[in-house]
Amino acid sequence: DAGVIQSPRHEVTEMGQEVTLRCKPISGHNSLFWYRQTMMRGLELLIYFNNNVPIDDSGMPEDRFSAKMPNASFSTLKIQPSEPRDSAVYFCASSLRSSWTDTQYFGPGTRLTVL
Amino acid sequence: SQELEQSPQSLIVQEGKNLTINCTSSKTLYGLYWYKQKYGEGLIFLMMLQKGGEEKSHEKITAKLDEKKQQSSLHITASQPSHAGIYLCGADGQGGKLIFGQGTELSVKP
Repeated sequence: DAGVIQSPRHEVTEMGQEVTLRCKPISGHNSLFWYRQTMMRGLELLIYFNNNVPIDDSGMPEDRFSAKMPNASFSTLKIQPSEPRDSAVYFCASSLRSSWTDTQYFGPGTRLTVL
Repeated sequence: SQELEQSPQSLIVQEGKNLTINCTSSKTLYGLYWYKQKYGEGLIFLMMLQKGGEEKSHEKITAKLDEKKQQSSLHITASQPSHAGIYLCGADGQGGKLIFGQGTELSVKP
């Protein structure tokens, strides 16, 4: 299996622009997670899906952030409008089950820079 | 809201040395998880602790939860280069959401 695939790997945009991050989880995994990682705040869980259904989006910082999972093999995280404080590495991860004891396989991340 | 604080933030040790990473919670812990994050390899679950005074070991890694259930430690005995990575503690936050400490970056010098 190719593992979790994320695109783009790097994104540089200007404040106010819309940004869409994409993720393809490992085939057969039932849970998908979106994380944000910064030096200041560390790793933060933004939202997670179980069987394509959003379970907890309380980590989404603001209404500017939205995530969708239209099918088992694709998810998007959208920021509209983007702000400089959104600059971070965004990770998508998937796991076989929704238990926190299950290993989560991370994608390589998308490094977002908002100017 | 509950917060997890890890110490130290980074650690460099010589291969073969022992080390300890701490995780302190602002509230009582009802589920404490230890993970290892390695770039490109994901977040690997190590251990879960739930009961005060509980201690678990896996290979050369031992994790403990104190009696008051507000602090946990992760101890690595005879460290090896394969132990290098970022160690994260996580806990069941409000609503069952998982929250993390800032992470401890471990480097092991051969």
